[in-house]
Amino acid sequence: GAGVSQTPSNKVTEKGKYVELRCDPISGHTALYWYRQSLGQGPEFLIYFQGTGAADDSGLPNDRFFAVRPEGSVSTLKIQRTERGDSAVYLCASSLYGGDSSGANVLTFGAGSRLTVL
Amino acid sequence: RKEVEQDPGPFNVPEGATVAFNCTYSNSASQSFFWYRQDCRKEPKLLMSVYSSGNEDGRFTAQLNRASQYISLLIRDSKLSDSATYLCAVNGPPNSGGYQKVTFGTGTKLQVIP
Repeated sequence: GAGVSQTPSNKVTEKGKYVELRCDPISGHTALYWYRQSLGQGPEFLIYFQGTGAADDSGLPNDRFFAVRPEGSVSTLKIQRTERGDSAVYLCASSLYGGDSSGANVLTFGAGSRLTVL
Repeated sequence: RKEVEQDPGPFNVPEGATVAFNCTYSNSASQSFFWYRQDCRKEPKLLMSVYSSGNEDGRFTAQLNRASQYISLLIRDSKLSDSATYLCAVNGPPNSGGYQKVTFGTGTKLQVIP
């Protein structure tokens, strides 16, 4: 597609439920990032994929969070046993070159998925 | 110490003023640097990359100071439409696998006043 597409745009769920957030990156972009943004804060890094593999997952806060990118394109962020503190906007971004040493890593963001845990 | 730090502001400036933001980064091995603009309830969008020699795009000038580990953004002749949050982003250094993540600061909020 022309841009990065994220679904759903809004998700309201109850504490303890399971949630999936989807990201469809720009066609041909090899790198895909997930960030979480709370009000008044900058994007907080969660995980970065280069192709199908997780190049860096150091930002995932705990084992309730998991992300996949099985075919190197669409990615799904999965949150188990949601907690109220998980409420935030989850941003996905893609990059043509990725984060290797040879290329500048310019990110194009999707509009985000706003998650509210009641 | 945070990897990337910014003064959150807000910076309230009159139209036509010149305003400058700084952003410091903690890891001297970081490799590339960017400024993003984020409007309220919107996603961040690239404003400009920051090069060692400094770069200018119209009213916007970005500088990198590797010795002191900071980047700066200068906005001249501020417009009402410049009101937004400005995020600095730092790429790298490589992890053990050779991959570099992009880390953002908290953002600096700018409000240009008529």
